[in-house]
Amino acid sequence: TQLLEQSPQFLSIQEGENLTVYCNSSSVFSSLQWYRQEPGEGPVLLVTVVTGGEVKKLKRLTFQFGDARKDSSLHITAAQPGDTGLYLCLYPGGGADGLTFGKGTHLIIQP
Amino acid sequence: GAGVSQSPRYKVAKRGQDVALRCDPISGHVSLFWYQQALGQGPEFLTYFQNEAQLDKSGLPSDRFFAERPEGSVSTLKIQRTQQEDSAVYLCASSPMERYEQYFGPGTRLTVT
Repeated sequence: TQLLEQSPQFLSIQEGENLTVYCNSSSVFSSLQWYRQEPGEGPVLLVTVVTGGEVKKLKRLTFQFGDARKDSSLHITAAQPGDTGLYLCLYPGGGADGLTFGKGTHLIIQP
Repeated sequence: GAGVSQSPRYKVAKRGQDVALRCDPISGHVSLFWYQQALGQGPEFLTYFQNEAQLDKSGLPSDRFFAERPEGSVSTLKIQRTQQEDSAVYLCASSPMERYEQYFGPGTRLTVT
C-alpha cells in the first residue's frame, strides 16, 4: 500500500484569503484524485490528475500534479465558506496496490 | 439518476452483537468498495469487488469482518461479535470501472456500546 501524506492537517482562514494544501508521497503514482467530504456525507470527486506537471482548474480551485508524479497540490483562490470541508487525495491504484486515501486536510473558511 | 445508497444510516450495537450493513451501488457499476472512516480521519480501504468477485480484502481488520456481493450488485458488510473499536462510519462506493471516479454513499455510522 502506497502512503499519501496530506498537509496541513487543519487549516482555518478568513473568507477571501488564498490557501494551498498538499498531498505528498515517496512513491510515483499513475494518477491521483482529489475529493471533498462534507459532514455526514460521502466524499465527492473534484478532479483526477494523470500527467506529470498537469494543471487543472475548477472555478477557484487549481490542482497541480508534480512533474515526478509523487505529489499534488490544491490551491483555492478567494476562499468562501462553502469551501469548508475535508479535502482528501486518493491513489486509485489497482490490484495489489490497494486504494490509499490520505488522512485529509480539514479546511474551515470563516465568514 | 439514483446515487449510491446505504442502510441503515445509523446503527447502535451492543458489544458482541452481529451487524449487517447494506450498500446499493449505482446500477451497472462494476466496481464496489468498502471503507472504514474513524472520526476526523480519512477513509481506510477495507475491500473491493469487481462484479461478484472479491478481488482484494487486504484491508479487513480481522476475521470478524466479512463482505459479499453475490449477484454483482447489492453488497453487504457483516461484522461479527462487534467491539468498541469497530465504531466508525462505513462508506461504500461504486465505480463504472477500476481506477475510475468513485461515487460514495452517505455512509453508515456504527456505534458499539
